[in-house]
Amino acid sequence: SQTIHQWPATLVQPVGSPLSLECTVEGTSNPNLYWYRQAAGRGLQLLFYSVGIGQISSEVPQNLSASRPQDRQFILSSKKLLLSDSGFYLCAWSTAGAEAFFGQGTRLTVV
Amino acid sequence: KQEVTQIPAALSVPEGENLVLNCSFTDSAIYNLQWFRQDPGKGLTSLLLIQSSQREQTSGRLNASLDKSSGRSTLYIAASQPGDSATYLCVGMNTGFQKLVFGTGTRLLVSP
Repeated sequence: SQTIHQWPATLVQPVGSPLSLECTVEGTSNPNLYWYRQAAGRGLQLLFYSVGIGQISSEVPQNLSASRPQDRQFILSSKKLLLSDSGFYLCAWSTAGAEAFFGQGTRLTVV
Repeated sequence: KQEVTQIPAALSVPEGENLVLNCSFTDSAIYNLQWFRQDPGKGLTSLLLIQSSQREQTSGRLNASLDKSSGRSTLYIAASQPGDSATYLCVGMNTGFQKLVFGTGTRLLVSP
């Protein structure tokens, strides 16, 4: 069966520290992968999406970057976190024309 | 650029009412549409997927329809229950099968 793993579930990091959030998918190949952020009380903002290994599209300029080192692995990173990076981060995957699935999210608090 | 709007933004109803949540998108070049629910502090749970060749889908008390010509989708919830309280999101996939575009969400509260 298809599953998506996202970790950690919660994270508290100081301003200026690095960030690495990982998302892995099982049970499918060559999925589209997505990173979203949800600020408190706000909607979901698409940050990055990837249609293949090493192919990353950025939707908004920001303090974050994404990488896809393997077909079913998607990593969200930052070299130096800002307070405004706090939020709920969701990883998702889909295949062409089919249903999308979401991870359980990572709640990041930058202090 | 595809934009997806959901109306109403918030809805509070007593238990037992039938509800209609609306989703409208600006670009008719949408391939399929999916409805999710999000409980506070949680991830997204898929409810219904309407694929390109379909006009509606049903699951239990939920029915979703898609009209590409008008750029609208509706989610109908029959006999609402307190457990239906959540934020409901519609998500459109573009015809290039790349982007998932989220609606603004409807926050639903069903009171006992």
